[in-house]
Amino acid sequence: DAGVIQSPRHEVTEMGQEVTLRCKPISGHDYLFWYRQTMMRGLELLIYFNNNVPIDDSGMPEDRFSAKMPNASFSTLKIQPSEPRDSAVYFCASSLVRGEAFFGQGTRLTVV
Amino acid sequence: KQEVTQIPAALSVPEGENLVLNCSFTDSAIYNLQWFRQDPGKGLTSLLLIQSSQREQTSGRLNASLDKSSGRSTLYIAASQPGDSATYLCAAIPSGTYKYIFGTGTRLKVLA
Repeated sequence: DAGVIQSPRHEVTEMGQEVTLRCKPISGHDYLFWYRQTMMRGLELLIYFNNNVPIDDSGMPEDRFSAKMPNASFSTLKIQPSEPRDSAVYFCASSLVRGEAFFGQGTRLTVV
Repeated sequence: KQEVTQIPAALSVPEGENLVLNCSFTDSAIYNLQWFRQDPGKGLTSLLLIQSSQREQTSGRLNASLDKSSGRSTLYIAASQPGDSATYLCAAIPSGTYKYIFGTGTRLKVLA
């Protein structure tokens, strides 16, 4: 397996624009996580899914953020409208229940 | 609420030294504890996963231990090499949930 695949790797957008980040988990994994990493706050869990169902979205900072998992092989994290303070590296990770978590390479988002 | 702390925040050692990285968590009720490595600008690479019923795990020059009663885990790196230079993160999964709670990491530099 190629591991967790995220796209794009880098995204630069203007404030107010919609941003969509994409993730393909490892085949067979039933948990998927979205994290955000900043220098100030470290790694923060935004939301996680089990069998495509959102389980805990308490880390989603605002209503501007939304995440979907339409099937077992694809998830999106959308920010609409984007703001400069959303600039961060966004990671997707997947795992089996109580198993080892594997992370993607991340998407570096810059909102100007 | 589970909190994870890593001390020291940064560490610089000469090549060849054996070293210990520390991870503390406030709630001993955890499923797993996982250690990761992060190189600058990269994603997280899984190093070792210790399940709650285990006391330690080993992989090559790495050994991780878990003491749930004291809320501590340590990552031992034997015979350190410049290639070990990276940020090391630990993450605990509290029982009853599946949210990986990350520490802020230890930034390690091994000098040649």
